[in-house]
Amino acid sequence: DQQVKQNSPSLSVQEGRISILNCDYTNSMFDYFLWYKKYPAEGPTFLISISSIKDKNEDGRFTVFLNKSAKHLSLHIVPSQPGDSAVYFCAAITTSGTYKYIFGTGTRLKVLA
Amino acid sequence: EAQVTQNPRYLITVTGKKLTVTCSQNMNHEYMSWYRQDPGLGLRQIYYSMNVEVTDKGDVPEGYKVSRKEKRNFPLILESPSPNQTSLYFCASRGSYEQYFGPGTRLTVT
Repeated sequence: DQQVKQNSPSLSVQEGRISILNCDYTNSMFDYFLWYKKYPAEGPTFLISISSIKDKNEDGRFTVFLNKSAKHLSLHIVPSQPGDSAVYFCAAITTSGTYKYIFGTGTRLKVLA
Repeated sequence: EAQVTQNPRYLITVTGKKLTVTCSQNMNHEYMSWYRQDPGLGLRQIYYSMNVEVTDKGDVPEGYKVSRKEKRNFPLILESPSPNQTSLYFCASRGSYEQYFGPGTRLTVT
């Protein structure tokens, strides 16, 4: 049972345009969500996060939106740059108990110059 | 520099030959974990540790062992590797919510 789903394995976007990466979850106990970025031959690195008490969090070109009723979050990258080409993982955790992380399967973003 | 290190980065071995992948972090984090990444399956947790001498199974623990004798180190042990353990492995440590990952160990079991 995949509790965190990224239904788009890949996405291609023109440089300068908006990239939108989506993530759906099923467990209503998740209350904190994170996005990680992974380049080839490197470990994932933390990008941005959002608490369930918010519906939006911005950090520069990156914005994460959370729709709790739909159990859906999205990462917007504006404007997209070639250096953003990577695999993006969303993750969800329950901040009580063991803080166990559940990762999605990842979306490979390719930004075309 | 805050970091998580793993060794080796690449390993090719044969079925049944015991191996250990080391992991060390310099951030004084209590929580550490191991993941494997496989195509189409994302990152799946193998084992995690909440603190020294406290370890627990993740989602895919079969065939693996871990130990946490010191806060900074969290080795992953494959007592009898099999070809289905061919994968990319990541160690991670966590402060608050964000995890810090090592560079990965690509393991091939033939």
